[in-house]
Amino acid sequence: DAKTTQPNSMESNEEEPVHLPCNHSTISGTDYIHWYRQLPSQGPEYVIHGLTSNVNNRMASLAIAEDRKSSTLILHRATLRDAAVYYCILRDVGSGNTGKLIFGQGTTLQVKP
Amino acid sequence: EPEVTQTPSHQVTQMGQEVILRCVPISNHLYFYWYRQILGQKVEFLVSFYNNEISEKSEIFDDQFSVERPDGSNFTLKIRSTKLEDSAMYFCASSGQTLPYEQYFGPGTRLTVT
Repeated sequence: DAKTTQPNSMESNEEEPVHLPCNHSTISGTDYIHWYRQLPSQGPEYVIHGLTSNVNNRMASLAIAEDRKSSTLILHRATLRDAAVYYCILRDVGSGNTGKLIFGQGTTLQVKP
Repeated sequence: EPEVTQTPSHQVTQMGQEVILRCVPISNHLYFYWYRQILGQKVEFLVSFYNNEISEKSEIFDDQFSVERPDGSNFTLKIRSTKLEDSAMYFCASSGQTLPYEQYFGPGTRLTVT
């Protein structure tokens, strides 16, 4: 499984945008970029995914570099509820892949009021 | 919105006892997973299950562990003889059949082995 690198922690102020970076220089052509987050004392939660193009959903935006070796999760207006550990995960959805998620340490996002 | 549920929320057991953790995945999902998270550590994959059989398991998932989908709705994880190091949060997850197969996680069962 291709590896991702994320900063251990980041801080943000409430109602400001947050850009969470992820490096994945060994990404392969069949790897989707997924982001999950884990709120305190909860199970992981799907946030967003992308393959090549930038993506938006109700939770966040995902900006993918042209060479796909890095990506950035963007929270447009951080709220206190967004304080969580954010995981950038590569998933190979090629034939035969079982879909397991390999979690790293993630980025712990602290949001200040 | 459909969700994955898990019972019990907290299970305390003595070392050497058998425990069964239960999960009800989202009803039209076909892929099922168990993960665990030891306190303060990262989430670890245990096993994936599809078409009534294990499709992949990690090194953690040794002979003490087993999974079952007994009745088409429940998905269970059994630990035959618990050890102290099995103490962790256990998360069940399920996913559908369409890309990108995002996984929906349950709230977890906290297992404490004394």
